[in-house]
Amino acid sequence: KQEVTQIPAALSVPEGENLVLNCSFTDSAIYNLQWFRQDPGKGLTSLLLIQSSQREQTSGRLNASLDKSSGRSTLYIAASQPGDSATYLCAVGGGSEKLVFGKGTKLTVNP
Amino acid sequence: DAGVIQSPRHEVTEMGQEVTLRCKPISGHNSLFWYRQTMMRGLELLIYFNNNVPIDDSGMPEDRFSAKMPNASFSTLKIQPSEPRDSAVYFCASREGGQLYFGEGSWLTVV
Repeated sequence: KQEVTQIPAALSVPEGENLVLNCSFTDSAIYNLQWFRQDPGKGLTSLLLIQSSQREQTSGRLNASLDKSSGRSTLYIAASQPGDSATYLCAVGGGSEKLVFGKGTKLTVNP
Repeated sequence: DAGVIQSPRHEVTEMGQEVTLRCKPISGHNSLFWYRQTMMRGLELLIYFNNNVPIDDSGMPEDRFSAKMPNASFSTLKIQPSEPRDSAVYFCASREGGQLYFGEGSWLTVV
């Protein structure tokens, strides 16, 4: 059974700092991996989707990497801004259409 | 496109009452997912549909939960009878390619 872990559960940084969020998964036989953002009281917004054959994806200040063999993914946020404050969730897709989610990292960027 | 639309946004009901949550997926998306989010367990997949057909309902917690998708533009998740432990945020999501698009959720409180 796939398990997805995100550490730390919460992170607080000053504005402008570069930061890395971590995601680990137990079963390396994955189909894809997605990073989502969730604002309070809102649904999830997909940030980046990495297929199993890819090593990384980039969108603006965000870069997500995938290392299947070690069961890890990272989300790198460059030059963080207060508007980046949210909960970031990692989700792993297996051969079926199911996604298994981590519990997220709550990020606070302080002005 | 208006995105995935869920109703009601908030519902408070008494234990034992029937609850019906509704979802309109993004037009053209063939897959629809119902998730439940709690602090303790995070996001859990309840059931998903492909082309209006339920594919996997193994996440549905009990017989009190049922879901239908009578056509490509509408789905319901019903809880009957509701219990306090059903209190959670229920998300509907639809899928295009590998990406999931979430609604803003239905916040259910059973007292």
